[in-house]
Amino acid sequence: GIQVEQSPPDLILQEGANSTLRCNFSDSVNNLQWFHQNPWGQLINLFYIPSGTKQNGRLSATTVATERYSLLYISSSQTTDSGVYFCAVTTSGGSYIPTFGRGTSLIVHP
Amino acid sequence: NAGVTQTPKFQVLKTGQSMTLQCAQDMNHEYMSWYRQDPGMGLRLIHYSVGAGITDQGEVPNGYNVSRSTTEDFPLRLLSAAPSQTSVYFCASSYSRGPQPSSGNTIYFGEGSWLTVV
Repeated sequence: GIQVEQSPPDLILQEGANSTLRCNFSDSVNNLQWFHQNPWGQLINLFYIPSGTKQNGRLSATTVATERYSLLYISSSQTTDSGVYFCAVTTSGGSYIPTFGRGTSLIVHP
Repeated sequence: NAGVTQTPKFQVLKTGQSMTLQCAQDMNHEYMSWYRQDPGMGLRLIHYSVGAGITDQGEVPNGYNVSRSTTEDFPLRLLSAAPSQTSVYFCASSYSRGPQPSSGNTIYFGEGSWLTVV
């Protein structure tokens, strides 16, 4: 099946810093989503982005499907950004069951 | 619109007991799936279903059973609980037939079920 790799696995920032999270995938995808898992365990959908670029406030995401990667940008980070960020993909083979990367754990210090 | 509803949120079981985690969605989604989340392992697929009456195994199916008698419901059964099944379980749904909105086949998650087996 498709392999999904996220980097870095861990990230520690001071409040106000910017960061870039990366998601590489091994096959063509028809869906890619970024999720934020907050400290209470909730999985919150950030972006549905199988290709192109989207922005939502301080967060933006870019997927380059032909090169099989996606980037999540967090600008002016806040303590509330802390948590784990997951990338999930579904393949173009027809299955809509998502495969997840192992996540990037982000800690933002005040 | 309730989305994906999982119950119970917390459960403690004794080794050997059986139980069912419930999952229901009201978005007329075809695809539903169960994941378990363990520290450092991300979300691993247990079982999935691509429609009523159709189920299949994921990456870590042993010790779990599922059925999909209706489009809305996808329960996960632990047949004989073991301490190795202590985990957080998430149900997800996606994909509706017919015209797709701009958000496409967005994946929706339940709020998770924290299970401890002692």
